Amino acid sequence: LAKTTQPISMDSYEGQEVNITCSHNNIATNDYITWYQQFPSQGPRFIIQGYKTKVTNEVASLFIPADRKSSTLSLPRVSLSDTAVYYCLEYGGSQGNLIFGKGTKLSVKP
Amino acid sequence: NAGVTQTPKFRVLKTGQSMTLLCAQDMNHEYMYWYRQDPGMGLRLIHYSVGEGTTAKGEVPDGYNVSRLKKQNFLLGLESAAPSQTSVYFCASSLAGGPGELFFGEGSRLTVL
Repeated sequence: LAKTTQPISMDSYEGQEVNITCSHNNIATNDYITWYQQFPSQGPRFIIQGYKTKVTNEVASLFIPADRKSSTLSLPRVSLSDTAVYYCLEYGGSQGNLIFGKGTKLSVKP
Repeated sequence: NAGVTQTPKFRVLKTGQSMTLLCAQDMNHEYMYWYRQDPGMGLRLIHYSVGEGTTAKGEVPDGYNVSRLKKQNFLLGLESAAPSQTSVYFCASSLAGGPGELFFGEGSRLTVL
């Protein structure tokens, strides 16, 4: 079973900020949180990764509170091209058993 | 910059036939993975490998076999294909098991009639 829980779907409009929350109540001390984006008919691609507090790159921000039981992916001013499925993945250390959940299907409308 | 390459990209099989999907990576990654993706099911891990000569079962290993004879290649085999194995298969690789980035191939669409 996936270690994380996310909403199945979300709707937004162009220009809005979108926040997708992921729950990982039993996150291990060594585990990081990583987010992937997947467009139809393509393989997922890495967006951002963090351990705690806030991480920002050119695509998104990732907020992880002190207890690390959840995390929030923030996409600023989304466009139609941000319509995709977003996966939250918890892993770390040296395990290879990387389990994805069902992801969050984000639909951005004009 | 090939990254992760999957072959073939499309294949149609009849029930009971066998086939092998090939995943090749040119990044000298230690870890490799095979996932399948069905509508509404997200990505499900079939098998993975933490190094040349080693493999392990993931979430849904039944009906599949894998081999990692060379570090750069990870093969996924179906000995006797079933309609339930109709899916899109994704291969991925990473420098280590984590943390770190997974690099995915473009997918192989398999239809079993």
